Amino acid sequence: DSGVTQTPKHLITATGQRVTLRCSPRSGDLSVYWYQQSLDQGLQFLIQYYNGEERAKGNILERFSAQQFPDLHSELNLSSLELGDSALYFCASSSQGGGASDTQYFGPGTRLTVL
Amino acid sequence: AQSVAQPEDQVNVAEGNPLTVKCTYSVSGNPYLFWYVQYPNRGLQFLLKYITGDNLVKGSYGFEAEFNKSQTSFHLKKPSALVSDSALYFCAVGDSGAGSYQLTFGKGTKLSVIP
Repeated sequence: DSGVTQTPKHLITATGQRVTLRCSPRSGDLSVYWYQQSLDQGLQFLIQYYNGEERAKGNILERFSAQQFPDLHSELNLSSLELGDSALYFCASSSQGGGASDTQYFGPGTRLTVL
Repeated sequence: AQSVAQPEDQVNVAEGNPLTVKCTYSVSGNPYLFWYVQYPNRGLQFLLKYITGDNLVKGSYGFEAEFNKSQTSFHLKKPSALVSDSALYFCAVGDSGAGSYQLTFGKGTKLSVIP
């Protein structure tokens, strides 16, 4: 158990809908990262927050948004969902400065199925 | 831009034999290199990382990796494979010279240890 928690574990929804995925980082970790894992695209970095501020942006669609709250938990919002958004969404956290040398600890993931 | 390659989609090895999972990378500055393992329906677990210093890095569960700057490689090794090592292995790279905070992950190598 990495100490990173994600809810819900599974989510089934319809095209066009909006969902929110939640992540609680390890105690004391200031950085939160979001990744999407699909069979065809592999593990794709979406976005990183450090202590409430956006730090880095990857291949995140405009339909997706995220934020990190004062208690350091983070939410990933996915809207106007398409079949292709079906994937595993992982959150990770790290304890240092949020740089590329930090070890990231991953949560168990949320499996999103869009029907 | 940083990139990482795992040239083998699958590696099969007999239990008790040594195993190697290959990884090569490309960065503009100095690399930060990581190995993660993913078991079915689980998040990624950190195994080891190279930031600087000794080229041979020892990690969890008896795994080690050797950083080779001239060959831009960071292969994962274990002297004696266990059936329980069967999983999906990811190599990841960060770049000290890119001003980027993010890691880039390889597509993963499925390791099967045959009893």
